[in-house]
Amino acid sequence: AIQMTQSPSSLSASVGDRVSITCRASQGIRKDLGWYQQKPGKAPKLLIYAASSLESGVPSRFSGSGSGTDFTLTISNLQPEDFATYYCLHDYTYPQAFGQGTKVEIK
Amino acid sequence: EVQLVQSGAEVKKPGESLKISCRGSGYSFANYWVAWVRQMPGKGLEWMGIIYPGDSDTRYSPSFQGQVTISADKSISTAYLQWTSLKASDTAMYYCARQSLHFDYWGQGTLVTVSS
Repeated sequence: AIQMTQSPSSLSASVGDRVSITCRASQGIRKDLGWYQQKPGKAPKLLIYAASSLESGVPSRFSGSGSGTDFTLTISNLQPEDFATYYCLHDYTYPQAFGQGTKVEIK
Repeated sequence: EVQLVQSGAEVKKPGESLKISCRGSGYSFANYWVAWVRQMPGKGLEWMGIIYPGDSDTRYSPSFQGQVTISADKSISTAYLQWTSLKASDTAMYYCARQSLHFDYWGQGTLVTVSS
């Protein structure tokens, strides 16, 4: 099964900062990767699909890049509502798998 | 409007059986894969398995194969997650999610608590 290694596990940042989160797949997955945001007590929310496509309604400060094994989620101009936990998920083949998550906290 | 509505919270004892549900509306339920995702208390998301309601094609994560059963009834637009003998370690929030280009719609979650 393909494993997803996400880093860092947590980070502290200030409003207005630019932050990046990475996911590495244990083998090539083309661009079959999505990024999700989860806030406490809520279901995850899709931000990015196919590695770099922005889901409808998601602010443009969120962007994704990468292909093959290495992927990045970037949040530009971090806003108060962006403090949450972020997960990558590959859907290249079964079983699909999430990364371990990155908690973005307020500095 | 696309919605996935899950059944309510459950409190069970070890060894008991359980079946939770996820009802889809606002779209053609039979034509989209539906996945189940576990989140143990304070932990990350785990992909458990997925079903295509149109023909009940089902795939499992090796971690959950044999531990749970995923099924669906397309006539009532509902997917299910089932246990025959619960353990304390099954205590978690369980989410269903529709897969189109990706997991674009999620249920609200069902909290399962297993305690003696």
